[in-house]
Amino acid sequence: DAKTTQPPSMDCAEGRAANLPCNHSTISGNEYVYWYRQIHSQGPQYIIHGLKNNETNEMASLIITEDRKSSTLILPHATLRDTAVYYCIAASGGGGKLIFGQGTELSVKP
Amino acid sequence: NAGVTQTPKFQVLKTGQSMTLQCAQDMNHNSMYWYRQDPGMGLRLIYYSASEGTTDKGEVPNGYNVSRLNKREFSLRLESAAPSQTSVYFCASSPRWQLRPQHFGDGTRLSIL
Repeated sequence: DAKTTQPPSMDCAEGRAANLPCNHSTISGNEYVYWYRQIHSQGPQYIIHGLKNNETNEMASLIITEDRKSSTLILPHATLRDTAVYYCIAASGGGGKLIFGQGTELSVKP
Repeated sequence: NAGVTQTPKFQVLKTGQSMTLQCAQDMNHNSMYWYRQDPGMGLRLIYYSASEGTTDKGEVPNGYNVSRLNKREFSLRLESAAPSQTSVYFCASSPRWQLRPQHFGDGTRLSIL
C-alpha cells in the first residue's frame, strides 16, 4: 500500500464543510483511495473510496486530483457527531489488511 | 437496517475457556473479516474469508479458528482463551475480495481473566 500523509488535526465549525486532505504521492495505478473514521471507543466506519473519478455518497464526497497524488474528503455540513479521527489509505488488490496511519483528528465545534 | 451484526457485545471468560463470536451480514457481501483492536496497536487482521467456502489466515491467527458457515455468517472461535486475547473484536464485510471492508460490526469487548 502507498504511504499516505495527513495533517494531525483540524477544526471545523458546525454546519460548515470539512475538507480533509490526504497526500499519496507514490500511489500506483491500481490502488484505490479509501477513507475511514473512528469515533473514540467505537469501531471503524467506512466512509468512501475511489480510484480516479470523484465520488459522492450519502456521507461525503471524495475529490481525487488528476495525477492521483492527493485527495480531499469533504463532509458537506459537519455536525458534532462527525468529530472523529479520519484515516486515508491507498490500497490495491485483495486483502482485509487495514493499516491506519496517524490520521487527522477532526474537531467539529459549535 | 442492513449491516453487520456481532454477538455478544461483551463477554468475560476465564483462562482456558472456549467461546465463539458470531457475525452475520445481510448485504450479500462475498468477503468477510475478523479483526482485533488493542490500544495503540491499530486494527490487526485475524482471519478472513474471501468468498463462501474459503478461509485464510491474517496477521495474527494463532489461538483462533474460523468458520464461514454460509454466505451470511462468519464465526470466530477461541478454543482455549488466554489473557493476551483480551481485546475488542470487529467483524467486517466487503462486496468482493478486491475491495477493502465497507461495513463493520459494533464490536465484541472480550476480557479474559
